[in-house]
Amino acid sequence: SQTIHQWPATLVQPVGSPLSLECTVEGTSNPNLYWYRQAAGRGLQLLFYSVGIGQISSEVPQNLSASRPQDRQFILSSKKLLLSDSGFYLCAWSDDTRSSYEQYFGPGTRLTVT
Amino acid sequence: GQQLNQSPQSMFIQEGEDVSMNCTSSSIFNTWLWYKQDPGEGPVLLIALYKAGELTSNGRLTAQFGITRKDSFLNISASIPSDVGIYFCAGPLGSNDYKLSFGAGTTVTVRA
Repeated sequence: SQTIHQWPATLVQPVGSPLSLECTVEGTSNPNLYWYRQAAGRGLQLLFYSVGIGQISSEVPQNLSASRPQDRQFILSSKKLLLSDSGFYLCAWSDDTRSSYEQYFGPGTRLTVT
Repeated sequence: GQQLNQSPQSMFIQEGEDVSMNCTSSSIFNTWLWYKQDPGEGPVLLIALYKAGELTSNGRLTAQFGITRKDSFLNISASIPSDVGIYFCAGPLGSNDYKLSFGAGTTVTVRA
């Protein structure tokens, strides 16, 4: 069966510091991968998605970036964090066939920028 | 992109009650998904619907794909305390990509 991991689970970082969040998927090949951000009490905002290694699409202009160095690894980064980057970051995967829009989420990373 | 409107925004449940929520879209969808998110965790897929008029159950949960293809409904029968959480509907953002549009969520809490 497929599993998705995210780490760290929680992170407290000062403004201006760099960020690296990691997501890995097991039990599937060539998944579509997604990064979402969820502000407190709010819905899900799609940040990036990837349909293959090195292929990244950005949905929202911001100081965040994403990379996919391996088939089942998705990384969210920032060179300098802003206070507004605080939130709950979720990684998700879906099957690469067009017939399935079902996305499966990881446990999330709670980021607090101080 | 498509806009999804979920209602109600929040609701209180009493154990044993049946509750329902719905989601409407400004565009026709060919897929509807319902997720539940517990506090501090990632959303979990509850039900996926692929055909207009389809009625699908998952335990005490039942979801329906509206005939107009612009709405969907989720019902919870005989509520229990662990039903609290945020319920999201979602549908494809477009026909040629892999992105989903999510509703703002319905927050379900237990009535004291």
